[in-house]
Amino acid sequence: DQQVKQNSPSLSVQEGRISILNCDYTNSMFDYFLWYKKYPAEGPTFLISISSIKDKNEDGRFTVFLNKSAKHLSLHIVPSQPGDSAVYFCAASLYSSASKIIFGSGTRLSIRP
Amino acid sequence: NAGVTQTPKFQVLKTGQSMTLQCAQDMNHEYMSWYRQDPGMGLRLIHYSVGAGITDQGEVPNGYNVSRSTTEDFPLRLLSAAPSQTSVYFCASSYGQNPRRDTQYFGPGTRLTVL
Repeated sequence: DQQVKQNSPSLSVQEGRISILNCDYTNSMFDYFLWYKKYPAEGPTFLISISSIKDKNEDGRFTVFLNKSAKHLSLHIVPSQPGDSAVYFCAASLYSSASKIIFGSGTRLSIRP
Repeated sequence: NAGVTQTPKFQVLKTGQSMTLQCAQDMNHEYMSWYRQDPGMGLRLIHYSVGAGITDQGEVPNGYNVSRSTTEDFPLRLLSAAPSQTSVYFCASSYGQNPRRDTQYFGPGTRLTVL
């Protein structure tokens, strides 16, 4: 049973608009969350993270929001650019098992002109 | 720095064959890990290491062995390949022993097909 779920396999957004990628988790003990971005034929690259003591973290065009009561986090990209077209993975970690990162199944984001 | 390198890029095996996927990093990173990526499953942790001589199991360790004799290298061994091991394999490393806090850097991947 997947502990980190990305229920939207794909998302298409017009260039310049906001992209919102969603992620749900089932284990309430997760206390650290990460987003990775992956281009075809490359390894994932780290994008942004958030600790459970916060509800928002921002880095340039990227903002991650965490709703602990709903066990939900989202990644907002504003404005969306063609280079943002990639697969985005949500990931989570437990403090008691900090060496293990659990990934979701990914969402493919396509930015259309 | 070359970063995290993986060899080979592509490999086709027959069921029952054994092979080793190579992973090396030149950043003096303590933490190294192996993931497999399958459609609809995302990335799943196979094994990880927090330093030379120390390894531990991840989510899906069965059918795979690892060792960490040096800081730089973390090979993944398939002892008797099965079609279920057809996947893309990624190696990653991070500076400290905590991949939550220290950014993981991924290699380009090895695409393995088991017939």
